[in-house]
Amino acid sequence: KAGVTQTPRYLIKTRGQQVTLSCSPISGHRSVSWYQQTPGQGLQFLFEYFSETQRNKGNFPGRFSGRQFSNSRSEMNVSTLELGDSALYLCASSSLSTSYQETQYFGPGTRLLVL
Amino acid sequence: AQTVTQSQPEMSVQEAETVTLSCTYDTSESDYYLFWYKQPPSRQMILVIRQEAYKQQNATENRFSVNFQKAAKSFSLKISDSQLGDAAMYFCALKSAGTASKLTFGTGTRLQVTL
Repeated sequence: KAGVTQTPRYLIKTRGQQVTLSCSPISGHRSVSWYQQTPGQGLQFLFEYFSETQRNKGNFPGRFSGRQFSNSRSEMNVSTLELGDSALYLCASSSLSTSYQETQYFGPGTRLLVL
Repeated sequence: AQTVTQSQPEMSVQEAETVTLSCTYDTSESDYYLFWYKQPPSRQMILVIRQEAYKQQNATENRFSVNFQKAAKSFSLKISDSQLGDAAMYFCALKSAGTASKLTFGTGTRLQVTL
């Protein structure tokens, strides 16, 4: 099975712009979670989607949003970019349910640089 | 709130030797899962091993094993016969019934493997 894929892998934006990142989960996986990784804050949970519905949300401002499509692919959007949004954004998928028992498998990440 | 603490920012081990990475956690939940993830320079987060809290037996995966001490809320990772390819950041993570899909990560331990 192909793993989790994320596009683009690298992105450079300027302050005030918006950005959309994409994640395709492992085939058959219906849950997609997003994480932000920065040197200062470490790995932080953004949100999780299952069957096109947001099931869980981290403590991030409303500028961060996401959605999931019927094929389980997910996108996250960050509007009005700030310098502090520079980070590695990781997507993870898990099979069938949002259960805490499910192992999450990660994609390679999208590295976002905001200038 | 649940927390995960990794008190060793960096560790070093010689090739073929054994090293133990420490992790402590705190959660009020009785049902939870613990994970060790490895993040090599490629930044891809790779699952190393997982442990169900209700299982007394420590999980093992080839050269990787854990020492799970539930009462002490400790979850250490032992790497035997260390190889150069084991060099990476290692993250301890926790997922519980109360937080469903959200993984809470520690700050990571950077493992160096020397010849």
